[in-house]
This record gives sequence, C-alpha cells and structure tokens, in this order.
Amino acid sequence: RKEVEQDPGPFNVPEGATVAFNCTYSNSASQSFFWYRQDCRKEPKLLMSVYSSGNEDGRFTAQLNRASQYISLLIRDSKLSDSATYLCVVNIDRKGSSNTGKLIFGQGTTLQVKP
Amino acid sequence: GAGVSQSPRYKVTKRGQDVALRCDPISGHVSLYWYRQALGQGPEFLTYFNYEAQQDKSGLPNDRFSAERPEGSISTLTIQRTEQRDSAMYRCASSLGTPYNEQFFGPGTRLTVL
Repeated sequence: RKEVEQDPGPFNVPEGATVAFNCTYSNSASQSFFWYRQDCRKEPKLLMSVYSSGNEDGRFTAQLNRASQYISLLIRDSKLSDSATYLCVVNIDRKGSSNTGKLIFGQGTTLQVKP
Repeated sequence: GAGVSQSPRYKVTKRGQDVALRCDPISGHVSLYWYRQALGQGPEFLTYFNYEAQQDKSGLPNDRFSAERPEGSISTLTIQRTEQRDSAMYRCASSLGTPYNEQFFGPGTRLTVL
C-alpha cells in the first residue's frame, strides 16, 4: 500500500465548477500536511499547508481528518489557470527527531478546467 | 532573488557510466533535499541534508547512489554504474530549515540512461 494515495484522475470540469480532491495517508506518525501544485513539465510548488482546524486561501479550502487519515482540497469557481496536477504531501516524523524534512508525495491528481 | 538551480538540465549517458548531478540551493537555506520523479508520479524522497550533515538517506535505492554537501551549500548526487532504470527526473529542493518550512524545488535534471 502506498503511503499517500490519491485518485490520479483526470478530473475534467467546466470553468466555474467546484471540484474536490481527496487523499489518504497510511502513517499515523505523519505530522504536517501540504498540497503542492505542479504544472506540466515544471517543478512542484507549495499551494497551501493543511491544518487540523481546516484552512482557506481564497478559492481554495483544505481539510484534515487525523482520525480517518484523510486530507481534502476544495477548489471553488474553477479557473482555466487552475489546470495542473495537485500533489498531496505528508511529512513523516522520525521518532527521536524533531526535524525530519522528509516529504512523502502522492501520485498527484490531474485537473483540467475547460472553457 | 535566485531560486534553486540544477545542472545539467539534461543528461544522456550510457549504461555503466557514472553521473554527477549538481544542486545549488537558495542562499541561506539550511536544508537541501533530493527527490526522483518518474513520469506520472509524485516526487520520491531520496535523501536530505541540514547544513553539511546528511540527516536521512533512507530513500537512496541502493549503494550506487550517494550524495554530499561538503560545505553546507552546493550538493552533488552521484550515481555510479548507471542502469536504464535510473532514468528519471532528479529534483532538488531547499528550505529554511524546519520541516514546516516550504520546500522550494529546482527545475530538475532529466537523466536518460541508454
């Protein structure tokens, strides 16, 4: 079983639609959580961190459910420029270390927003 | 300011040759990470450094892979006796230093082993 699992998609949605991506992680020691965005043939870039209380950044809302080991990303009012691959990422806390830095990436979910 | 840079951007080599991939992190970034990314997959962790110390090398596939960061800045990932299965995009990232800091990725080195 992969440590971070995502539905690869693609998700094809019209402009203005609301779309949600889900992700599950297997390691309960995971300490911090992120969504990264990767455009075609480009490097991944941080979209947003994910907090237990949930957080919002404009049209983007991220949620974390530690009990179910589940992370979500909601995009409202989709734009053409939102077309990209969205990577779910967790940071594994190595026992005895307070600074691991090791990120585990999911496969990514591809979003295509159509006019 | 300048982001993370990697060189070469593309490397084609023959099976059995050694290759060295270079990463120049953002100035002042304490932590440096190496990942490998196959087509259609997310980046896969290889190793990381805080300053010059290699903190975790659990992701290195085998002993043909090694990395160093001797002066706590530029890092080199070396693959000895390359094999076709080593072909991938190798990405470097850097961050200010804690696991909660954003990792900034470089453009990657596309390695092709013939």
